[in-house]
This record gives sequence, C-alpha cells and structure tokens, in this order.
Amino acid sequence: DTGVSQDPRHKITKRGQNVTFRCDPISEHNRLYWYRQTLGQGPEFLTYFQNEAQLEKSRLLSDRFSAERPKGSFSTLEIQRTEQGDSAMYLCASSLGLAGVQETQYFGPGTRLLVL
Amino acid sequence: GENVEQHPSTLSVQEGDSAVIKCTYSDSASNYFPWYKQELGKRPQLIIDIRSNVGEKKDQRIAVTLNKTAKHFSLHITETQPEDSAVYFCAASTRSNYQLIWGAGTKLIIKP
Repeated sequence: DTGVSQDPRHKITKRGQNVTFRCDPISEHNRLYWYRQTLGQGPEFLTYFQNEAQLEKSRLLSDRFSAERPKGSFSTLEIQRTEQGDSAMYLCASSLGLAGVQETQYFGPGTRLLVL
Repeated sequence: GENVEQHPSTLSVQEGDSAVIKCTYSDSASNYFPWYKQELGKRPQLIIDIRSNVGEKKDQRIAVTLNKTAKHFSLHITETQPEDSAVYFCAASTRSNYQLIWGAGTKLIIKP
C-alpha cells in the first residue's frame, strides 16, 4: 500500500498518560499535516511540516502536544498528560507541492484516541 | 483568520435526483477549494477541487462552481446513487498558508 499510513489505528489510555502516534506519508511527499476530528465535525488543523521543518502550529495545539518529522519522512505526534477532551480522531495527511502551490492532501486512516 | 460555513448539515434526496451543497468563506486570499467525501469510519477522500483562477470544474457526475465575488462555492452531484451516501466536507486554503480550513460537513442521504 503506497498511501498514507498511521499507527496505531486505535488507542485507549487513562487520563494523565502520554501517547505517541506515528504517520508515514506517501514517500515522495514533502508536506505533512496533522488534523484532529471530533464526531460530527470537520477536521481541525493542528500543525504542518515542509520536509523536516515545522512551519505552522495552530493555537489549538497546547504545550502538551508536540510533533516531529526528524528526517523529513515519517512524523510523530505526542500528547503528554492526556485529558478527556483530547479524545478524537487524529488524522495525518501528506502532499507534494512547490512553494506557493497547494496540491491535493491525501489522508491516512487516522488514529482514534479515547482517554478514560 | 479564515472561516468556512457549510449548508445544509443534512441533505436527503431521492436516488437519481441532484444534490447541491454550498459553502462560504471569509478570507478573500483563499485560492484553493477542495471537496472531500468521508464514509463512516473512513478517511476523507478528495472528490474534486477548484482553484480561484477558474469558475467551474466538472468530473463526470460531480461539478464545483466558485463565485469569488460572493466568496462562495458549491458542490453539485447529478444522478445520485446509493454509494454517494456519505458526509461531504468543503475546505479552503490560501497560497501562503497550506492548511485546510474545513466546513462542518453535510450528511448526504440517498433514498432508494
């Protein structure tokens, strides 16, 4: 499968625990995005990378959230001290684009997080 | 910042009829407008997109129109089929900011 993959697909954790999600983009894609989606809502932008550089972070992304893309390939999203309000689907997307050009964002299957 | 509003939240149409979903955006600098289809428990999938240098784009039974002056764009699905049932999202982004700002979604129900 050459599409965007995410791991794990489901995560149940207790409040206060740390969790880490992984995203593997389509191999030649230079841009990688993280979104969060709650039931019945559209995805909300969290952050995006161009190669290994994190170029933008949403105000939704509190200090408990951190994302990395160390070699410009896969990315990780870590949530520290999880809260029940963090329960959501975390979606990763990737695209291939030149500067100033938006290209199609292809989405992964998501990681569904439930914080008890 | 950008805000995208989408209507209606639910749309029920008879199989074979047309469906129209409308979105408005607030940032006049927005220049890229994709539409995604999301089936229950699945990832969003792009069905069509339009850039601000064109007013209309068609792909078989699906078309999108853009009115930059009024800052709204619409998705048109003709000859609807049961497999068109899903949640449809519109989104917008600007040339300087690649993040997508999404509408709240429209649940499309195709009645047999």
